[in-house]
Amino acid sequence: DAGVIQSPRHEVTEMGQEVTLRCKPISGHNSLFWYRQTMMRGLELLIYFNNNVPIDDSGMPEDRFSAKMPNASFSTLKIQPSEPRDSAVYFCASTDPGQLRGYTFGSGTRLTVV
Amino acid sequence: AQTVTQSQPEMSVQEAETVTLSCTYDTSESDYYLFWYKQPPSRQMILVIRQEAYKQQNATENRFSVNFQKAAKSFSLKISDSQLGDAAMYFCAYGQGGSEKLVFGKGTKLTVNP
Repeated sequence: DAGVIQSPRHEVTEMGQEVTLRCKPISGHNSLFWYRQTMMRGLELLIYFNNNVPIDDSGMPEDRFSAKMPNASFSTLKIQPSEPRDSAVYFCASTDPGQLRGYTFGSGTRLTVV
Repeated sequence: AQTVTQSQPEMSVQEAETVTLSCTYDTSESDYYLFWYKQPPSRQMILVIRQEAYKQQNATENRFSVNFQKAAKSFSLKISDSQLGDAAMYFCAYGQGGSEKLVFGKGTKLTVNP
């Protein structure tokens, strides 16, 4: 298995632009998570899906952030418009039913908004 | 809400020596899971070890073992025979039974000195 695949690995964009981060979970995993990592706040859960349905989006910082999971093999996290304070590493992770083996994380997307 | 506290922002150890990283958590639940994740400079999050709260036996994975003290709500990670490749950020995480969400501590940066 190729693991959880995220793209792009790095993204530099100008303030006000739209940013889309992508994630392909491990086949057979039914839960998918988006986390944001910063030095100040550590790892924060933004949103998670179970069987493609958003279950908890209470961590989404504001309406500029949105996430979708149109099918079991793909999810996106979109920021529109982006702001410098959105600069962080964004991780996608997936897990199997019952979380028997814990999360498998993607390699993350380092987002820099200038 | 559950919280996870890692009281040691940084630790260091000599190669081949043993080091223990501390983690405490706060919960009123009886069914939960605890994890340690490693994040090397590559930023990939790697699952190190997992413990179910209902198991009294401490989990072990090769050179990594935990000391799970349920009453004290403590979950420390012991790394034996430390290697240079163990240098990384280590995150403790809590997951409630029946939920796929994980709450992470702020992390401990481990340096391994040759």
